[in-house]
Amino acid sequence: EDQVTQSPEALRLQEGESSSLNCSYTVSGLRGLFWYRQDPGKGPEFLFTLYSAGEEKEKERLKATLTKKESFLHITAPKPEDSATYLCAAPSGQAGTALIFGKGTTLSVSS
Amino acid sequence: DGGITQSPKYLFRKEGQNVTLSCEQNLNHDAMYWYRQDPGQGLRLIYYSQIVNDFQKGDIAEGYSVSREKKESFPLTVTSAQKNPTAFYLCASSPLIGAYSYEQYFGPGTRLTVT
Repeated sequence: EDQVTQSPEALRLQEGESSSLNCSYTVSGLRGLFWYRQDPGKGPEFLFTLYSAGEEKEKERLKATLTKKESFLHITAPKPEDSATYLCAAPSGQAGTALIFGKGTTLSVSS
Repeated sequence: DGGITQSPKYLFRKEGQNVTLSCEQNLNHDAMYWYRQDPGQGLRLIYYSQIVNDFQKGDIAEGYSVSREKKESFPLTVTSAQKNPTAFYLCASSPLIGAYSYEQYFGPGTRLTVT
């Protein structure tokens, strides 16, 4: 069964304290790995797409990487405005191009 | 300004009533999706459509119905048969090019409360 698992569920950081979020997946024939940011009460906002192992993408303080079994979202010197829930998703093998989402990691950055 | 709109933002209904959630996109995307989000849960797929007049059930389609009469529109009806309809509903769309999935863009969501 296709599955996407994120860890940790919640992460508290001090401003400037770098860390990583993990997304492991068991999806046959990976056709993309997606990262989203979701603020409370809003729709997810697209961040990155990764297609092959070894690929990296960066945006401001965020960097996403991909291996054959997992993806990491590295947050360097986070600021309070980076506080949000980060979602990881991969296309389902059984549902066309629909995505399977992990439950997310809720990041809280305090100043 | 391109994007996805969902209306209304908040919706309140009495148990036993059907309710329709609107989703419109002007991104010229072929594929559209409906997800449901509950506290502590990931997004779960209700229905998706890759072409006009065609749609497929997702993991939790029971108690829901959809239509896709126009490329831009994908309304979701929550019927009285849905046992736990109170949730945050998200609509998304994406391009459809070959076998690869492309990023989905989400609307702002509709929070449905049924009492």
